[in-house]
Parts: sequence; C-alpha cells; structure tokens
Amino acid sequence: GIQVEQSPPDLILQEGANSTLRCNFSDSVNNLQWFHQNPWGQLINLFYIPSGTKQNGRLSATTVATERYSLLYISSSQTTDSGVYFCAATGNQFYFGTGTSLTVIP
Amino acid sequence: EAQVTQNPRYLITVTGKKLTVTCSQNMNHEYMSWYRQDPGLGLRQIYYSMNVEVTDKGDVPEGYKVSRKEKRNFPLILESPSPNQTSLYFCASTGVNSPLHFGNGTRLTVT
Repeated sequence: GIQVEQSPPDLILQEGANSTLRCNFSDSVNNLQWFHQNPWGQLINLFYIPSGTKQNGRLSATTVATERYSLLYISSSQTTDSGVYFCAATGNQFYFGTGTSLTVIP
Repeated sequence: EAQVTQNPRYLITVTGKKLTVTCSQNMNHEYMSWYRQDPGLGLRQIYYSMNVEVTDKGDVPEGYKVSRKEKRNFPLILESPSPNQTSLYFCASTGVNSPLHFGNGTRLTVT
C-alpha cells in the first residue's frame, strides 16, 4: 500500500501564529485529502485536493502530485484550530498518515 | 442534511459476544468504508465497499465482517470480539471525485 508520513507529529502554537503541516506519500495517488479531528473526536474534511492549491478562510492547502507531497497552511491560528490533522492518500483505498497534533494556546 | 450515521456511539461488551455496529449514509455514495483508530497508529482501514454486493479487505480485516446489501448501509460485524478490538471505529462514505465524509465514531470496549 501507499505509505503516508506527516510532519511534525506535534506542534504547539501561540494564538495568532502561522504554521505549515506536511504530508509526504510514497506513490502516485488518485487524490489527497486533509481532515481535522476536533477534541470531541469528530473528523471533518478540510480539503479534497489531488493537485494545485485551494483556500478556505484561514486555511489553505497545496498538493504537488509529481513530487508526492501536500502542505496545509494555517494562518492566524485560533484555539479552535486545536486537534489532530490527518492527510489521506487514495489509491484503491484510503491511506492515512498518523497525524499532526496541534495545540493552540491563548 | 447530508450525513453518515453510526450507531451506537459507545459500546461496552464482553469477549466473544457478537455485535454489530451500523452505518448508514444519505448521500447516495457508492464507496463506503470502516476504520479503526488507535493511539499512535492513526486510522487504519478495515474493509471497504465500492458498491452494493462488492466488499474488499483493507489493512486490518482480521476479526471483522461486513456486508453491503443496500447502497446506504454498511454494517460492521464482530462475530467474536476480543480485547484487542477495543478501539474507536469510524464509518465513512464518498462518491466519485468528492470528499470523504465520516460518521461520528463508535467507541468500543471489549472486556
């Protein structure tokens, strides 16, 4: 299967700071998605992004499929951004990374 | 409202007692799948289904069964649960070129 690696594994930010999360994948993929797992355990889809760049408010994502990586940018972080961020690559099934745990402190 | 519904949210059972976790989606999605989430291991796919009557093993299928008799439903069956199946389980669905939608999860404890 496809290997997916995320970095960093843990991140602590002061409110208002910016951050970049990275997702590397080992093979060609059909698409790449980013998810946020909130402190209550819910998994929310942030981006469906097989290639290119998308923006949604303070969040944006870029996937460079030819180089097998994707980046998630969080700008002006807020405490509500805390949680775990997962990326998932799709071949014939979904392959998840082990996540980046983000804590935003006031 | 478009959603994936899992039940129950919490389940405590004993070793060997058969159980079923239900999953239903109202988005007419072809693809449905089950995952377990364990600390430090992320989400691992148990089984997936590309359409009705079509199911395939994911990375960790041992000890689980699924069925896809209808497009909207994809139950997860544990015929003889064991303590190493204690985990947080998620069902998800997606259509062609669309995002993956998750249910709210089922926290299972097997004693």
